[in-house]
Amino acid sequence: QKEVEQNSGPLSVPEGAIASLNCTYSDRVSQSFFWYRQYSGKSPELIMSIYSNGDKEDGRFTAQLNKASQYVSLLIRDSQPSDSATYLCAVNKAAGNKLTFGGGTRVLVKP
Amino acid sequence: KAGVTQTPRYLIKTRGQQVTLSCSPISGHRSVSWYQQTPGQGLQFLFEYFSETQRNKGNFPGRFSGRQFSNSRSEMNVSTLELGDSALYLCASSWDRGTSGSNGYTFGSGTRLTVV
Repeated sequence: QKEVEQNSGPLSVPEGAIASLNCTYSDRVSQSFFWYRQYSGKSPELIMSIYSNGDKEDGRFTAQLNKASQYVSLLIRDSQPSDSATYLCAVNKAAGNKLTFGGGTRVLVKP
Repeated sequence: KAGVTQTPRYLIKTRGQQVTLSCSPISGHRSVSWYQQTPGQGLQFLFEYFSETQRNKGNFPGRFSGRQFSNSRSEMNVSTLELGDSALYLCASSWDRGTSGSNGYTFGSGTRLTVV
């Protein structure tokens, strides 16, 4: 079992719809959780961080964390073609900065 | 505010050679981490340096090494290159939260290494 698992996709959503991405992690001591967006040929870009159970909203993005179920999700509201990218879930369990990344979910937003 | 700067952007090396990649973190960031990204394995953690000390290490062979200087700049070295080392090498810097977890990274643009 991988430490951080994501559906590879592609997740195809129509423009204006909500894209829902899921991520599960295996280690219960995980403390910090992140969503990165990576466009083809570019480096990952941090879009959300979440540290405690519940929801965290930032613009069109909402991250949800459920530590009991070891589950993190990302909602993208009013999806735009510019949201088409690979979304990477990352988890940190150690002191310091050692993030473990999932394989990423490719999202395609169709006009 | 300058981002994370990696040099060179592209590199072609021959099997058996060694290579050194450089990373300058965001000003004030003392934690620098290195990742290897390949289509098959995704992003894999190499190591993290903080205050010139290796604080975390991934599961890579000893051919992969790194160091950090007093100004937080970091280098990674790969010796005896193999074809399978062809990848995008990403450097990332971060503020330090100590035992409270991580603030997440800002990544550099990466160095694309091709081993022939």
